[in-house]
Amino acid sequence: KAGVTQTPRYLIKTRGQQVTLSCSPISGHRSVSWYQQTPGQGLQFLFEYFSETQRNKGNFPGRFSGRQFSNSRSEMNVSTLELGDSALYLCASSLFRAETQYFGPGTRLTVL
Amino acid sequence: TQLLEQSPQFLSIQEGENLTVYCNSSSVFSSLQWYRQEPGEGPVLLVTVVTGGEVKKLKRLTFQFGDARKDSSLHITAAQPGDTGLYLCAGAGGSNYKLTFGKGTLLTVNP
Repeated sequence: KAGVTQTPRYLIKTRGQQVTLSCSPISGHRSVSWYQQTPGQGLQFLFEYFSETQRNKGNFPGRFSGRQFSNSRSEMNVSTLELGDSALYLCASSLFRAETQYFGPGTRLTVL
Repeated sequence: TQLLEQSPQFLSIQEGENLTVYCNSSSVFSSLQWYRQEPGEGPVLLVTVVTGGEVKKLKRLTFQFGDARKDSSLHITAAQPGDTGLYLCAGAGGSNYKLTFGKGTLLTVNP
């Protein structure tokens, strides 16, 4: 069974631009969560989607948004990028809303 | 706000040594997961513990969930260079399926 896939793996943007990251969950998994990982803050929860609806949201500004499609694939968007948005963005999927989550390899975003 | 504190933050040992990593909180969790992450990759699930006092073994790795479900430990016996990585604990609570992560323990096992 294929794991969680994320595209692109690496991304370089400049301040003020916007970016869209994509996540394909494990086949059959319906819940997708997004996390931001930085050396200083560790892994921080962004949001969770289940059945195309946002179920949970972390403490991030409105510049961070996401959505989930009917095939459970998910995208997250960051608008008006800031230098501090440079991080590894991780997507995790789980079967229904199970507590055990399986992570993708991440997208490394660098904002210059 | 649920917080998980991991200790130690960094650990550098020689091959063959034993080690224990701790994950502590003042909050009760319904389950706790341990992950290992290698540079540039996503965390890989090692184990999920759900019952207070539960002990799970994965080859040389032993995981324990505290009786009160507020803390957990990971013990590695006879560490090998392949065990090198960032070990993360993550707790889940009740109907909120959001995981709260500790900041991790960066383990280096030297040959």
